[in-house]
Amino acid sequence: ETGVTQTPRHLVMGMTNKKSLKCEQHLGHNAMYWYKQSAKKPLELMFVYSLEERVENNSVPSRFSPECPNSSHLFLHLHTLQPEDSALYLCASSQDALAGEQYFGPGTRLTVT
Amino acid sequence: GENVEQHPSTLSVQEGDSAVIKCTYSDSASNYFPWYKQELGKGPQLIIDIRSNVGEKKDQRIAVTLNKTAKHFSLHITETQPEDSAVYFCAAHMEYGNKLVFGAGTILRVKS
Repeated sequence: ETGVTQTPRHLVMGMTNKKSLKCEQHLGHNAMYWYKQSAKKPLELMFVYSLEERVENNSVPSRFSPECPNSSHLFLHLHTLQPEDSALYLCASSQDALAGEQYFGPGTRLTVT
Repeated sequence: GENVEQHPSTLSVQEGDSAVIKCTYSDSASNYFPWYKQELGKGPQLIIDIRSNVGEKKDQRIAVTLNKTAKHFSLHITETQPEDSAVYFCAAHMEYGNKLVFGAGTILRVKS
């Protein structure tokens, strides 16, 4: 596979469930990002990892927990979410953190019931 | 705080016509301005970008212009085709906070 991949593509979960989103980049990049995309709103940056270290946390609630085990993989662990957390969650990567071109995955469409 | 305003929110054009989308940004120190195209069911795809040391960049039917004094930049698509229909996002790399800030998007519909 090439580029940035995300699984699952669609996820429906109840408010008491625990689930994880997975992202993998095949570009040899050093930085990875999680964004939230809601209808009619700009993309919201959630987390940034550079060389497996978290360098940015944009006041995201603790029910979202990121994990970056290596420079190619990024996870977003979800726990006790709210219906307003329903959105498209996008992963991106770039050669260096917070500068230059970012390449996005296809996203995970999350619905919280 | 830093923000990027994007207009219009929706744009309908006839096939073959040109389309222009405009963005303004707040951080005068911003130095990198990418444009993304997002088709249904896909993630945003980088289509063109421009850095603050140039005023215009062109790639086939798409071009981007930058006016640093006025703090605005625009995407121009000429000879539009139905496959250009998508949501387009502008972004600016803000020195404050060192991050990309995105506009709210423009839905472009090309009617054949």
